[in-house]
Amino acid sequence: GQNIDQPTEMTATEGAIVQINCTYQTSGFNGLFWYQQHAGEAPTFLSYNVLDGLEEKGRFSSFLSRSKGYSYLLLKELQMKDSASYLCAPMDSNYQLIWGAGTKLIIKP
Amino acid sequence: TAGITQAPTSQILAAGRSMTLRCTQDMRHNAMYWYRQDLGLGLRLIHYSNTAGTTGKGEVPDGYSVSRANTDDFPLTLASAVPSQTSVYFCASSASGELQDEQFFGPGTRLTVL
Repeated sequence: GQNIDQPTEMTATEGAIVQINCTYQTSGFNGLFWYQQHAGEAPTFLSYNVLDGLEEKGRFSSFLSRSKGYSYLLLKELQMKDSASYLCAPMDSNYQLIWGAGTKLIIKP
Repeated sequence: TAGITQAPTSQILAAGRSMTLRCTQDMRHNAMYWYRQDLGLGLRLIHYSNTAGTTGKGEVPDGYSVSRANTDDFPLTLASAVPSQTSVYFCASSASGELQDEQFFGPGTRLTVL
């Protein structure tokens, strides 16, 4: 079956660094997406990885290990506006996104 | 540009009634999707369409139907609503349903079935 596992909730301090992990099992693999979702709003695209390694985009970076079925999202220099849920979504062989339940990130001053 | 719009924003519906959730995109995307999002669960795909004139079933299609008469519109119909269909519904689109394209989401419709 297809399964996504990510922590339910994490807390971090403003200005710090946080890593949100995601492990997955899918039927085939066409890359992995990370989305951000603020409370009461729609998900918005953050990053996409299809090859192993780290993709850096400003304060956010995303890592993928296909052999381990593992990805993480790294957020640096945390700001209060980063308080949101972060959704891990690998794409299966049918190009369908399989969504994790999301990790709620709470930023404290 | 508007991107993706959904209507209504929210709705309270009596069980047994029918309702159509509307979704329109102006990005000329080929693929469109309907998801529901429930507390503690990931987004679950209800139905999708890879191109105008075609539709497919997702993970949780029972009780829902869709049509794709043109590129821009992808309405979702609940023929006879039940309380378990209380959820937030998101419409999304992507340039293609057969490539690794990011999906763009509408603002969502919050539906309560009593």
